[in-house]
Amino acid sequence: AQTVTQSQPEMSVQEAETVTLSCTYDTSESDYYLFWYKQPPSRQMILVIRQEAYKQQNATENRFSVNFQKAAKSFSLKISDSQLGDAAMYFCAYRGDQGAQKLVFGQGTRLTINP
Amino acid sequence: KAGVTQTPRYLIKTRGQQVTLSCSPISGHRSVSWYQQTPGQGLQFLFEYFSETQRNKGNFPGRFSGRQFSNSRSEMNVSTLELGDSALYLCASSLGQGGNSPLHFGNGTRLTVT
Repeated sequence: AQTVTQSQPEMSVQEAETVTLSCTYDTSESDYYLFWYKQPPSRQMILVIRQEAYKQQNATENRFSVNFQKAAKSFSLKISDSQLGDAAMYFCAYRGDQGAQKLVFGQGTRLTINP
Repeated sequence: KAGVTQTPRYLIKTRGQQVTLSCSPISGHRSVSWYQQTPGQGLQFLFEYFSETQRNKGNFPGRFSGRQFSNSRSEMNVSTLELGDSALYLCASSLGQGGNSPLHFGNGTRLTVT
């Protein structure tokens, strides 16, 4: 079974600084997808960024980028120029490529932005 | 385009009762899945539906069930509620079933069992 581990329960960063959230996963599959979701107090899970395992190039979305190390099974999220609105729970998630919607989530990292 | 809509937002039930939660996916989305979120267990997959058929089920007891209607709307039902069923229940929809089809989540239903 696949597992996702986020080793940082909480992180904090000064506004405008850069922060990196860590995620490791375990799988025997060769094709899969990795995601970072953000969950603010409104409770809605919002997709931040997505990475296809077959792509070597790291995904980027504006201030958000990932460092995907397939051999090491590592998938970290870097947030540049942190803003107050980035404060939320961040979840790393794994999804196999078997035509299923099942996401396996990590335990989450609570990110606080200090003004 | 409206997002995923879950109703109700909050629900309080008594142990032993049953409850039905509703999810309306984004228009055009045919795939719906459900997740349970608790402080202790985190986010856990319940089940997924595509074209009214259950395609996958998580490791939950038979008290948890669901269905999908022809308009892709979905309901999940929990019978004989236990205190441990208190959780945030999240619904997600996607256009298709492939791994390249991102999931869009609703705001969830907060269920409290007393």
